[in-house]
Amino acid sequence: EIVLTQSPGTLSLSPGERGTLSCRTSQSVRSNSLAWYQQKPGQAPRLLIYGTSNRAAGIPDRFSGSGSGTDFTLTISRLEPEDFAVYYCQQCGRLPFTFGQGTKVEIK
Amino acid sequence: QVQLVESGGGLVKPGGSLRLSCVASGFTFSDFYMSWIRQAPGKGLEWVSYITNGGDTIYYADSVKGRFTISRDDAKNSLYLQMTSLRADDTAVYYCGVPGGYWGQGTLVTVSS
Repeated sequence: EIVLTQSPGTLSLSPGERGTLSCRTSQSVRSNSLAWYQQKPGQAPRLLIYGTSNRAAGIPDRFSGSGSGTDFTLTISRLEPEDFAVYYCQQCGRLPFTFGQGTKVEIK
Repeated sequence: QVQLVESGGGLVKPGGSLRLSCVASGFTFSDFYMSWIRQAPGKGLEWVSYITNGGDTIYYADSVKGRFTISRDDAKNSLYLQMTSLRADDTAVYYCGVPGGYWGQGTLVTVSS
């Protein structure tokens, strides 16, 4: 099983700041099989990024994804109030399709 | 736009059964692999099961193997999860969706006596 480790566990930032979230995988993952999700309390996971760097429909361009191999990053260029949430990465290149444990982005 | 609507959740006693359904729209359902994932209260996301387009290949998480059965009906744009021998630790919101893609709004399954 591929283990995904997200860091940090919690990121405390102010609106307008830049957020950098990391997702490290225990084995190399194909770039077309790494996705990022945002989840707010009481809501379903919302697809942000698929295939490492492709924004899903309707996702603002302040969200960007990058990386390869075992090291992937989600960057939020300037945090808006609605961006404070939990973020998960998922690999779907090798079964089981595992998730990271999540990074909570909270208001500082 | 892509829409996935789950139904069939509810309160069930330990050892009981439940069948979840998911109706998809906004994309060509028959072309896509589909999955179920779940989220226990206050916990992270856990992948549960996966079925290829055509339904010829199926995988399950070890935690549900032998108890859950995934299936699909492409004519109805629908995905199913038959859950038997339910346990308290199966309590979660269950989401259907495309691996690495969109997920529905979820349906809550509570296993309690």
